[in-house]
Amino acid sequence: DAKTTQPPSMDCAEGRAANLPCNHSTISGNEYVYWYRQIHSQGPQYIIHGLKNNETNEMASLIITEDRKSSTLILPHATLRDTAVYYCIVNTGKLIFGQGTTLQVKP
Amino acid sequence: SAVISQKPSRDICQRGTSLTIQCQVDSQVTMMFWYRQQPGQSLTLIATANQGSEATYESGFVIDKFPISRPNLTFSTLTVSNMSPEDSSIYLCSVSAGWAMNTEAFFGQGTRLTVV
Repeated sequence: DAKTTQPPSMDCAEGRAANLPCNHSTISGNEYVYWYRQIHSQGPQYIIHGLKNNETNEMASLIITEDRKSSTLILPHATLRDTAVYYCIVNTGKLIFGQGTTLQVKP
Repeated sequence: SAVISQKPSRDICQRGTSLTIQCQVDSQVTMMFWYRQQPGQSLTLIATANQGSEATYESGFVIDKFPISRPNLTFSTLTVSNMSPEDSSIYLCSVSAGWAMNTEAFFGQGTRLTVV
C-alpha cells in the first residue's frame, strides 16, 4: 500500500504558486519522498525528491517538515501546462503510487 | 536520465490471446519495473524484473498471467496472457539506476492495450 495521503484535487490560478500537500506519517528514517506528475496518461514524469532538507530544482521546490511526516511540493508560477495528476511517493526500494492530486491550473 | 522505448505503443487484441510488450533502455540499469494503469486509476506495480533471475511479483499478480523476461541490463518483456477485457489498461515500464532509495526512476510512455 502507498504510504502517502494527498487531497484528490486542487485548483490554482495561472501565474500563482501551486502548493501541493502530502502526508507520510509512517515514513522511515532512510526513505526518500519523491514527486512525479502524469499528464494526459503519458508516462509519469519525475519532478523532485528529498530526504529531510528542502530541495529546489528548475521545476519545483520540495519542503519537508522537520519530523518528516509531511511535505509540500511548490510550483512557483503555475502554467496551464502544469495541469496534471501529481503523485507523492515514499521510496521503499520501489515506487508504490497512491491516488495522487489532480491539479487544475485555471486562466 | 534514461530513454525508454516501449513497443507496441498500443494494440487491440482478441480475448484469449497473449501480447508481449517490450521495454528497451538506452543505458544499463539495475532495476526494471512493470506497472499497470487501469482506466481512470493510478499506477499499480505488477513486478520487479530481475536480471538473471525470476521476477518478483506484487500481491495479486502471478507469473502465469504476467510472465516477465529480463535477459540483460537494457531489455525486458512483459506478456499479458490469456487476455480478457479486464486486462484493458496502459502497461508501463520503469527503470532505475540502482538499489539505493535516493535513485530516481524513469518511465516509458506506456502500451495502451484494449482487449475485445
